[in-house]
Amino acid sequence: ETGVTQTPRHLVMGMTNKKSLKCEQHLGHNAMYWYKQSAKKPLELMFVYNFKEQTENNSVPSRFSPECPNSSHLFLHLHTLQPEDSALYLCASSQAADRSVEQFFGPGTRLTVL
Amino acid sequence: GQNIDQPTEMTATEGAIVQINCTYQTSGFNGLFWYQQHAGEAPTFLSYNVLDGLEEKGRFSSFLSRSKGYSYLLLKELQMKDSASYLCAVLDSNYQLIWGAGTKLIIKP
Repeated sequence: ETGVTQTPRHLVMGMTNKKSLKCEQHLGHNAMYWYKQSAKKPLELMFVYNFKEQTENNSVPSRFSPECPNSSHLFLHLHTLQPEDSALYLCASSQAADRSVEQFFGPGTRLTVL
Repeated sequence: GQNIDQPTEMTATEGAIVQINCTYQTSGFNGLFWYQQHAGEAPTFLSYNVLDGLEEKGRFSSFLSRSKGYSYLLLKELQMKDSASYLCAVLDSNYQLIWGAGTKLIIKP
């Protein structure tokens, strides 16, 4: 595997379910990000991790819970989501949390909340 | 507030040239990115401009004017595979990335 991978690619869940999204980067990067991408809207940065430590939480509801066990893996735990949470969730990584460097994105998880 | 404006959708013909504009109003400026995103795929990096002027990379060029708060991405010799969304993002004074909603480019034969 190369680059940034995400699983699952598609997820359908009910509002009472609990599920997790997984992201893995094989680039040796130290910073990882979760973004939400809704149709015709700008990317929304959700969380930033630098060397496994969370450095940003952009007012994300507590029904989204990130976890970063090491610099290569990032999870997004989901529970009691709302239909408006349906979107494409993108993971990204970069060499450092310096935003002036290129970010490498995974293909995303298409989430549908019923 | 901070804002990035780019056209929602553009259509161009294979073999032609297209210019995708991006205007921004942000608190400070530390660079501007262009990313390409094919439908159902990951965004991929195209360019980063921090100084005024034109930077060319093969068929793609990116221009920046900081005084005008303006950038454009120029695509030459368009190919069908260039059909994608093009995302503009600005790094503000706090090094926060402000993203535009993207421009969907449709290439017709």
